[in-house]
Amino acid sequence: GDSVTQMEGPVTLSEEAFLTINCTYTATGYPSLFWYVQYPGEGLQLLLKATKADDKGSNKGFEATYRKETTSFHLEKGSVQVSDSAVYFCALDYNTDKLIFGTGTRLQVFP
Amino acid sequence: DAGITQSPRHKVTETGTPVTLRCHQTENHRYMYWYRQDPGHGLRLIHYSYGVKDTDKGEVSDGYSVSRSKTEDFLLTLESATSSQTSVYFCAIRRDRTQNIQYFGAGTRLSVL
Repeated sequence: GDSVTQMEGPVTLSEEAFLTINCTYTATGYPSLFWYVQYPGEGLQLLLKATKADDKGSNKGFEATYRKETTSFHLEKGSVQVSDSAVYFCALDYNTDKLIFGTGTRLQVFP
Repeated sequence: DAGITQSPRHKVTETGTPVTLRCHQTENHRYMYWYRQDPGHGLRLIHYSYGVKDTDKGEVSDGYSVSRSKTEDFLLTLESATSSQTSVYFCAIRRDRTQNIQYFGAGTRLSVL
């Protein structure tokens, strides 16, 4: 069945470092892909999305490109801030009513 | 603010007791979802609803039931709580008919002792 695999965390970085969080997926066809972020004590919120191959989603300095050939949707940011510390979830939707989430990756950014 | 209220926000209960969690939306959306979040598992879908009295199971529905008697409220019931149901429960709504973008409530932390 469809699934999402994320890199294990935590990812620990210093402020202004470059961030990559890996996400790969298994799905038949062409799902829509999402990154959600969960700040401490809160629910998830949509960070960015891409609906077809080669689309790039971007928001708040974060980017992810839908790579069909490698079935990946890696999240990147050029310079992280302490305020980016959160848990990041990759998710897919394959024209169903349901989202499939990865297990989440915790990011910790230190000053 | 996604217009979603979950209640209670925290609850401690004993094994074997029934528990009902409530999700209330103010925006009249058709789709509503219940998830549980556990370390190492991410978010897992329990049940969802696609309209009043229209519900379907998710991947971890055993031990849970839901009801939706009006558009704005989606109730999750643990018929007889077990310690394995200790978790953080999130409700979500879907606003867009063409894209499955979901908006989440703040969560309910449930401890079953």
